Amino acid sequence: EVQLVQSGAEVKKPGESLRISCKGSGYRFASYWITWVRQMPGKGLEWMGKIDPSDSYTKYSPSFQGHVTISADKSSTTAYLQWSSLKASDTAMYYCARVSPGVVMVYFDFWGQGTLVTVSS
Amino acid sequence: QSVLTQPPSVSGAPGQRVTISCTGSSSNIGAGYDVHWYQQLPGTAPKLLIYGNNNRPSGVPDRFSGSKSGTSPSLAITGLQAEDEADYYCQSYDSSLNGDVFGTGTKVTVL
Repeated sequence: EVQLVQSGAEVKKPGESLRISCKGSGYRFASYWITWVRQMPGKGLEWMGKIDPSDSYTKYSPSFQGHVTISADKSSTTAYLQWSSLKASDTAMYYCARVSPGVVMVYFDFWGQGTLVTVSS
Repeated sequence: QSVLTQPPSVSGAPGQRVTISCTGSSSNIGAGYDVHWYQQLPGTAPKLLIYGNNNRPSGVPDRFSGSKSGTSPSLAITGLQAEDEADYYCQSYDSSLNGDVFGTGTKVTVL
């Protein structure tokens, strides 16, 4: 059974750093890209970027490039999303999802349960 | 902000049929990229509902169907049930952004 299990909720102060995780199981982790999606309170889904765990090649949405870092460790089958300096506007639910195989038709077939990040002074 | 536009809300009585549109542009849907749909029940993670315009993953009821007539993809729910109350999102690829994009989302209410 394919599963993506994310790390627990975080409460941080502005300016602090943070790394959240997404552990994949039940499939060959290195064979599928992992994507990250933001959902701000009461708002819609926003695509942030994705990573190929086989070589850690990443693609970012222009809206998030330079603000977050996506990484992965294929040995531990875990993907990460990190911030070096959080802002209050980073308060949101963050989801990881597995990206379907293929180049042309790209969709997100399995999702993690979400990690709530709250940034408040 | 989203480059795919959906109606903010649709509603219907139990048993009725509702449709949700997803409007894009020449750099995404108009360029021929596939459209996929997700259902997000209240307080839960999104779930893949339709992929490749009109394909249902295993376990998704056939009450849900997708279509892409020309450049106007849509999601249809027939035989609406109370458990279908959720937010629905379309997703595609955008060549000008060189990345994936979601629709603005549609809240389905069962009257």
